[in-house]
Order: sequence, then structure tokens, then C-alpha cells
Amino acid sequence: AQTVTQSQPEMSVQEAETVTLSCTYDTSESDYYLFWYKQPPSRQMILVIRQEAYKQQNATENRFSVNFQKAAKSFSLKISDSQLGDAAMYFCAYRSAGGTSYGKLTFGQGTILTVHP
Amino acid sequence: KAGVTQTPRYLIKTRGQQVTLSCSPISGHRSVSWYQQTPGQGLQFLFEYFSETQRNKGNFPGRFSGRQFSNSRSEMNVSTLELGDSALYLCASSPTARGAGELFFGEGSRLTVL
Repeated sequence: AQTVTQSQPEMSVQEAETVTLSCTYDTSESDYYLFWYKQPPSRQMILVIRQEAYKQQNATENRFSVNFQKAAKSFSLKISDSQLGDAAMYFCAYRSAGGTSYGKLTFGQGTILTVHP
Repeated sequence: KAGVTQTPRYLIKTRGQQVTLSCSPISGHRSVSWYQQTPGQGLQFLFEYFSETQRNKGNFPGRFSGRQFSNSRSEMNVSTLELGDSALYLCASSPTARGAGELFFGEGSRLTVL
């Protein structure tokens, strides 16, 4: 079974600065997908960024980028130029590429990000 | 496009009762997944339905069940409620729920069991 670990229960950052959220995962599979989801206090989770394991290039989405280290099974999220609206719970998630993976994401425990003005 | 809609948003039940939660996916999405979110266990996958068929199931007791209708709307049912069932239940929809496809989440149904 796959596991996802987020070792930072809470992180804080000053507005306009950069913060990195850590995520490690354990799997014996070679093909899979990784995601970062954001859950603001209103509770609706939204996708921040995704990474396909077979792609070596790190994904980027505007101010959000990942550092994907497949051999180390590490998938960190970097938020640049942090904004007040980035404050939320961030979840790292794993999805197998296998045939029984329908709808199933395995989530980490989450990291609460606080942004200070 | 309207997002994923979950009803009711909040509900309170007592032990031993049953509850039914509803989820209306984004128009055109045929896959609906359900997750339970608690402070202790985090986010855990319950099950996923596609075209009225359950394709995948998480490690939950048989008290947790679900179904999907022909219009893709889904319901989940929890029978004989226990205190530990208190949680935020999240529904997510997607066109296929495979690969790198995004899941679109609703705001959740907050269940409190007394």
C-alpha cells in the first residue's frame, strides 16, 4: 500500500516571501501521479499542481512549482511571492496509475500554511 | 459551470441512526468519489462510482455504502452511526478519475454524531 507523509504540520511565511512544503511518499510502483491540493478555510479543496512520475521535468503553475525527486520519493511544493490568499491547508496526494486506482487518492496529513502580512 | 454540490452541509445525528448524504457532480462528469476527513485519520477514500457502478472501494466497514444514479448524482449512506463517524464527508467528481486528471471537490457535509 502507498503512504504519503507530510512532516510539517504547520508552516508560516511572510507575505511576498517563498516557502517550501515537504512531502515524501512510499510506493513500489514505477508509474503514478502526484498532486498538491489546497483546502482554504471554506473547505473546498482545489488542485494546485500535478506531476506525472514518468516526466522528469518539474511541474510549474505560476507561483507554484514542485521539486520532484523520484529516486528519493520526494515531492515538495514551493510557493513564491506568497500572498494572503495562499493561507490554507495543503495536502500532498498520490494516485496509482494501475487499473484499480479509480478515484482513489492517498493523501498526506496536511500542512497548515499561515501567511503573515 | 456549476461546481460539485453537496447536501446537507451540516447535520447532527445520534448514535444508532442512519444518514444519507447527497452529491451532485459537475455536469458531464461521470465519476464521483467520496472521502472522509477527520482530524485524527485525515482524508480517507471511501468509494468511487462511475456510470452507476462502484469501481473502487476503500477500507471502511459495510455500514458505509453508496450508489450512483443515471444522472451521475450520488448518495452515500452510513447506517448504525457511531461517534467515530463524525467527520467532514467530501465528494469529488471528474470525467474519468484516472491518470493525472483533477478531482473537483465539493464543500463537504459536516456530520456530527452525538
